[in-house]
Amino acid sequence: ETGVTQTPRHLVMGMTNKKSLKCEQHLGHNAMYWYKQSAKKPLELMFVYNFKEQTENNSVPSRFSPECPNSSHLFLHLHTLQPEDSALYLCASSQDVGQGIRYFGPGTRLTVT
Amino acid sequence: AQKITQTQPGMFVQEKEAVTLDCTYDTSDQSYGLFWYKQPSSGEMIFLIYQGSYDEQNATEGRYSLNFQKARKSANLVISASQLGDSAMYFCAMREGLTFNFGNEKLTFGTGTRLTIIP
Repeated sequence: ETGVTQTPRHLVMGMTNKKSLKCEQHLGHNAMYWYKQSAKKPLELMFVYNFKEQTENNSVPSRFSPECPNSSHLFLHLHTLQPEDSALYLCASSQDVGQGIRYFGPGTRLTVT
Repeated sequence: AQKITQTQPGMFVQEKEAVTLDCTYDTSDQSYGLFWYKQPSSGEMIFLIYQGSYDEQNATEGRYSLNFQKARKSANLVISASQLGDSAMYFCAMREGLTFNFGNEKLTFGTGTRLTIIP
């Protein structure tokens, strides 16, 4: 049990669909993150939320829209995606200053057709 | 220039042998943190070990140890007495600078090493 859950675990969507990824943590952490893991590329940071406020947007296209209604929940809304957006999307959370990210979710495997 | 370099795309190791996974990093910051993660085929990223740039001792966590050579900017992961369950992707990552924002940690990852343990 990692303490960070993600749903759905697998998602197939067409380029014109709208879908959302959900992340939830019950660790009492105040920061949450979205990372993208594409084949044969390093993990890429997408967004950071700290105390529900977005503190980092790593030049992510607007077809990805994050939402953080509270410190325990993080969403990634997807619309008009491209096939190259197919990847594993990992959510993570952190609390202690200087201790890094120690908790990742299991990821959502997204396929865009 | 890449900030985290993992030069071994894949490794095959006999069960019960020790294995060293290489990681070099590039930063001009004096304060930084180095991390290793394991990612099994199921996809979840599992934290293994952490080394702070000011830590004088090499970090150890059970069978995992981090061989930290600051002058060489090297942070190799050593797994002692490898087990079949160690077969996975392993990622080295770095957090640069001091973390002034509470809980705001940004990591840069390497491309990973796929470790396969042979029975």
